[in-house]
Amino acid sequence: QVQLQESGPGQLKPSETLSLTCTVSGGSISSYYWTWIRQPPGKGLEWIGYIYNTGSADYNPSLKSRVTISVDTSKNQFSLNLNSMTPADTAVYYCARLPAAMHFTFDIWGQGTMVTVSS
Amino acid sequence: QSVLTQPPSVSAAPGQKVTISCSGSSSNIGNSYVSWYQQVPGTAPKLLIYDNNKRPSGIPDRFSGSKSGTSATLGITGLQTGDEADYYCGTWDNSLSAVVFGGGTWLTVL
Repeated sequence: QVQLQESGPGQLKPSETLSLTCTVSGGSISSYYWTWIRQPPGKGLEWIGYIYNTGSADYNPSLKSRVTISVDTSKNQFSLNLNSMTPADTAVYYCARLPAAMHFTFDIWGQGTMVTVSS
Repeated sequence: QSVLTQPPSVSAAPGQKVTISCSGSSSNIGNSYVSWYQQVPGTAPKLLIYDNNKRPSGIPDRFSGSKSGTSATLGITGLQTGDEADYYCGTWDNSLSAVVFGGGTWLTVL
């Protein structure tokens, strides 16, 4: 079965750039959309953006100026870059699969990785 | 302030039924499909319902979803202590051009 695993630094300083990678195992990254979602401590979910295996991406307008999502089909991975990090970006970051036929539904999630922004 | 409005908490006894509401507008629920997710503390969200009322493989029929106008409802019957979790609704918002979620509802099974 398909599994997702996030990886990347857990601590950043303000103004630094967050780089996270999601590795897809047990299935191909092709023919699906892939997404990033975050959840600040004790708060709700926030959609960051998604990418298709062709590299076509779309982002939450509230984060668009700071976000880039990319895909590496040869490694079955996709990545998130979020620049100019502030403490308000402290959150658990999840990667998830977005099947095109399920209308903006996220059917498989990674376990999440906690990212803390502090000086 | 979330775009979709959910009650902060609901509660019911084991074996009973509970419903969780998700209220939106014509720019989101009124013109798109709704999904529901269950999040046990310390774990990732899990898909329960998609396309308003469909259950993924492996989700018991104790969980159901419905939509009417600009509101959606998640129903859970035969409550179990293991159902204690946060529940989130989500959908696409045409005005914001973004996926939006409700603020979450904590379910207590007394």
